[in-house]
Amino acid sequence: NAGVTQTPKFQVLKTGQSMTLQCAQDMNHEYMSWYRQDPGMGLRLIHYSVGAGITDQGEVPNGYNVSRSTTEDFPLRLLSAAPSQTSVYFCASSYSIRSSYEQYFGPGTRLTVT
Amino acid sequence: SQELEQSPQSLIVQEGKNLTINCTSSKTLYGLYWYKQKYGEGLIFLMMLQKGGEEKSHEKITAKLDEKKQQSSLHITASQPSHAGIYLCGAGNSGNTPLVFGKGTRLSVIA
Repeated sequence: NAGVTQTPKFQVLKTGQSMTLQCAQDMNHEYMSWYRQDPGMGLRLIHYSVGAGITDQGEVPNGYNVSRSTTEDFPLRLLSAAPSQTSVYFCASSYSIRSSYEQYFGPGTRLTVT
Repeated sequence: SQELEQSPQSLIVQEGKNLTINCTSSKTLYGLYWYKQKYGEGLIFLMMLQKGGEEKSHEKITAKLDEKKQQSSLHITASQPSHAGIYLCGAGNSGNTPLVFGKGTRLSVIA
């Protein structure tokens, strides 16, 4: 199993550009989520999904869209990039949202918005 | 919403020394996770604690969960340079909500 994969690893955008961060898992996990990590802020939840066709907002959803058309994929879209979205983005998956199940994290995407 | 406070924020220890990192929750804990992150890399799962009083060990790392205090501690015995990194605790608001994370503890181990 490849686990949780994220592409790209690095990305530089100009303010106002849009892009999609890709996340895929091959473990047949129902639960997937996106976090951003900023210095001194820890991990903050952006959006999450408990299954195909179901998504919900996390703590910091503004400026981001998600969709879950398949179990395997959970892309994160930046509609109009802003410097405040410069961060490291992590995708995670788990068998279930229930806290008794381990979450697996991808390697991250480092995004810089100029 | 639940908040997790980690202490200390950063720690520098000499190789071979023991150390403890704490994670305190503002609400009842429903599962407590410990992850390690090497600088610039992803999160590596260390262990998960579910029940009050539970204690788990992996190599030289031991984690305990004190349900009454809403706190977990991570103890590293005889620290090594390979232990350096950022340690993050995560927990759920209830049994069915996404994990929230503490801000992390940055550990440096010097020879």
